[in-house]
Amino acid sequence: EVKLVESGGGLVQPGRSLKLSCAASGFSFNDYWMGWVRQAPGKGLEWIGEINQDSSTINYTPSLKDKFTISRDNAQNTLYLQMSKLGSEDTAIYYCVSTTGWFAYWGQGTLVTVSS
Amino acid sequence: DIRMTQSPASLSASLGETVNIECLASEDIYSDLAWYQQKPGKSPQLLIYNANSLQNGVPSRFSGSGSGTQYSLKINSLQSEDVATYFCQQYNNYPYTFGAGTKLELK
Repeated sequence: EVKLVESGGGLVQPGRSLKLSCAASGFSFNDYWMGWVRQAPGKGLEWIGEINQDSSTINYTPSLKDKFTISRDNAQNTLYLQMSKLGSEDTAIYYCVSTTGWFAYWGQGTLVTVSS
Repeated sequence: DIRMTQSPASLSASLGETVNIECLASEDIYSDLAWYQQKPGKSPQLLIYNANSLQNGVPSRFSGSGSGTQYSLKINSLQSEDVATYFCQQYNNYPYTFGAGTKLELK
């Protein structure tokens, strides 16, 4: 069974940084592009970015490119999202996804709340 | 960025009814379109990819169609478990973008 389990969310002050993790199991992690999608409370879905199998290609949505960094550790079957200079607009549930363009597998999400 | 316009924003339908949800792209996306279902408090789930390919395990009452800039999701014989919000997503061009969602309720 494919499982994606996000962790690392919580309450963070404006301007601070936070790093999310996504532990993958049940599939060959190093064969897949992986990515992150977020959803502000009660709102729609926003694609953050994606990383290829060997980390040689990383694509971001332009508005987040200077704030967020996606990385992966294939030995640990783990995907990461490093977020910096956080603002209230970054309050959202952050989902880890497998990506083939479309997103076949989703984690349960981790909530990040940016507030003082 | 490619803009995805979904309609209607909300929809009320009866059990057994057929439902159609539309998605209009701001430019040709060459069938690079997926549909997702999100139930309250849950993660989205993939229903359809490549505009008309049914994801494994998704009931056959769901179907997708369209080409160019116009796409639709059809739900035949609406069931109570289909109450959810539905999103379309294009993956023809970066950044990938989603429609705003269609909230489906039972009448």
